[in-house]
Amino acid sequence: SQQGEEDPQALSIQEGENATMNCSYKTSINNLQWYRQNSGRGLVHLILIRSNEREKHSGRLRVTLDTSKKSSSLLITASRAADTASYFCATVYRDSGNTPLVFGKGTRLSVIA
Amino acid sequence: DVKVTQSSRYLVKRTGEKVFLECVQDMDHENMFWYRQDPGLGLRLIYFSYDVKMKEKGDIPEGYSVSREKKERFSLILESASTNQTSMYLCASSLLTARPYEQYFGPGTRLTVT
Repeated sequence: SQQGEEDPQALSIQEGENATMNCSYKTSINNLQWYRQNSGRGLVHLILIRSNEREKHSGRLRVTLDTSKKSSSLLITASRAADTASYFCATVYRDSGNTPLVFGKGTRLSVIA
Repeated sequence: DVKVTQSSRYLVKRTGEKVFLECVQDMDHENMFWYRQDPGLGLRLIYFSYDVKMKEKGDIPEGYSVSREKKERFSLILESASTNQTSMYLCASSLLTARPYEQYFGPGTRLTVT
């Protein structure tokens, strides 16, 4: 099935630095969502950006969407050790009706104290 | 807060056993989903349901079945467990009418089939 692809697969940074993760997708979307998964746990919804939006903020999170390039980025500013987790993008396709979200394979972020 | 619970965090079963994974949500969500998560493969959809007694196949339904007799409960059944079904299983739910379908996840069940 169609799937977003996150990049990089893994990222390691020092506490206080910014972390940027990217997501590319294949066809026109209705919206794109980012989720976080702490080790061995379920996913938690972080932020959603609609196809007619270009940028969105939520606390230390900033998401951008470029529909012409079919890509999105998630920026975490001033990272903390607690941000260590896997981050997934998920998409809802434009004509999907009631079909589920389609998840990428995730970026594993390690924030070193 | 929405709460999605799964019956077990860890489960160990033998090859050939019938396995039931239960998922319950407490927010009257119409949609419920079962995913499995494996290293390097991300989340893959097994089955989903948008109403009681309704089910739809996802990307990898082979070897699995589901049951939704009540709105709040969605069960995943492994008819005859095999070692290649060792995985993390995640249940999720969402409101049908609250597009764009933010999903709420349970904590996951790590199943080992020996």
